[in-house]
Amino acid sequence: DTGVSQNPRHKITKRGQNVTFRCDPISEHNRLYWYRQTLGQGPEFLTYFQNEAQLEKSRLLSDRFSAERPKGSFSTLEIQRTEQGDSAMYLCASSSGVINQPQHFGDGTRLSIL
Amino acid sequence: DAKTTQPNSMESNEEEPVHLPCNHSTISGTDYIHWYRQLPSQGPEYVIHGLTSNVNNRMASLAIAEDRKSSTLILHRATLRDAAVYYCILRASENTGTASKLTFGTGTRLQVTL
Repeated sequence: DTGVSQNPRHKITKRGQNVTFRCDPISEHNRLYWYRQTLGQGPEFLTYFQNEAQLEKSRLLSDRFSAERPKGSFSTLEIQRTEQGDSAMYLCASSSGVINQPQHFGDGTRLSIL
Repeated sequence: DAKTTQPNSMESNEEEPVHLPCNHSTISGTDYIHWYRQLPSQGPEYVIHGLTSNVNNRMASLAIAEDRKSSTLILHRATLRDAAVYYCILRASENTGTASKLTFGTGTRLQVTL
């Protein structure tokens, strides 16, 4: 069990640029979640995949955000035309398909918009 | 999602027990009580969860009130490594087979001193 891996750990970009983050879940975990966390706040849910299907999206996930999990393994989160307000920690979590099991989090990608 | 109320911060001396309270007066009958903690610069880490009965694991104990409107996370001997933000979360049961997201509040920041 190598844990949830997120890359890159840090990303600095100029406003208006596109960015993409990657999440590798714990192997054989078929559920994958994305959260966003701003300073001083708890993480907020963005979206959830079961295998390759995106089953739930938060209202926080504007049309500039897109997430994919093409083969039901790793996932990517893309933000287009980044804005200052997108600066945050983006966290990925995974869990097994067994009901009521905990989510296991990665250490996140910190995005800073200049 | 049902809401939880936690103190903003608490302090403890090292090697002393710590009792972290959580109120959740609007809990529904099928909500599980989950606790996660977040160390600085890391993603949240699962601590423990329960439904009605008290629970123990290697990290902590969870005491749940008989009416389920409150719970207490107990760290039996706090160490400096336990300094973190502790989140109490109500999570809908997944017994229907649908995964449920975690809804974080702002948690309790625990400081541990020598």
